[in-house]
Amino acid sequence: SYELTQPPSVSVSPGQTASITCSGDKLGDKYACWYQQKPGQSPVLVIYQDSKRPSGIPERFSGSNSGNTATLTISGTQAMDEADYYCQAWDSRLQKVFGGGTKLTVL
Amino acid sequence: QVQLQESGPGLVKPSETLSLTCTVSGGSVSSGSYYWSWIRQPPGKGLEWIGYIYYSGSTNYNPSLKSRVTISVDTSKNQFSLKLSSVTAADTAVYYCARGRRFGELPYYMDVWGKGTTVTVSS
Repeated sequence: SYELTQPPSVSVSPGQTASITCSGDKLGDKYACWYQQKPGQSPVLVIYQDSKRPSGIPERFSGSNSGNTATLTISGTQAMDEADYYCQAWDSRLQKVFGGGTKLTVL
Repeated sequence: QVQLQESGPGLVKPSETLSLTCTVSGGSVSSGSYYWSWIRQPPGKGLEWIGYIYYSGSTNYNPSLKSRVTISVDTSKNQFSLKLSSVTAADTAVYYCARGRRFGELPYYMDVWGKGTTVTVSS
């Protein structure tokens, strides 16, 4: 079965750039998306189709996807960005796969 | 603006069937541009995709749950539902319904999520 691998945790200082990776076999050949989940809340889509931002998502959120790795980048990270982030793609059988999630800590 | 709301029992006994419904407001489950999905999250763990359905009734399920899962759609009530049979404590989780964007037969991203409902499996 297809697997997506994320680092369990990433730390960043306020105002700095945070990068969260998501690795999977030939992930660059698929579309990746990213969800943000804050404690006690449902997930929110922050990046879709590798690099597009939904309406209402700040410009500091960006994404890329090439080779075996998709990356979510948060520029000028703010305290409000502290959350769990999940990547997601679909496999050859059109079945959805989530990464294990990355806890972003803004120190 | 489309909103999704999960409903169903918060407590289910082991070996019984978990049944949840997602009511869609502000949009139609009959739209060919979308698919309708269920996702769950065990306490303190990550997201797990359960399955999705197109308005036509075509479904796709997580292989690890496929033998126990049924997702259906009721266009007359603008709802879609989840049934998970033979539940155990491992099925205790927050269950989310979500709307996904569809392009042809490809299930793209999920852009609208419900608030989630907690289901506990216990006798």
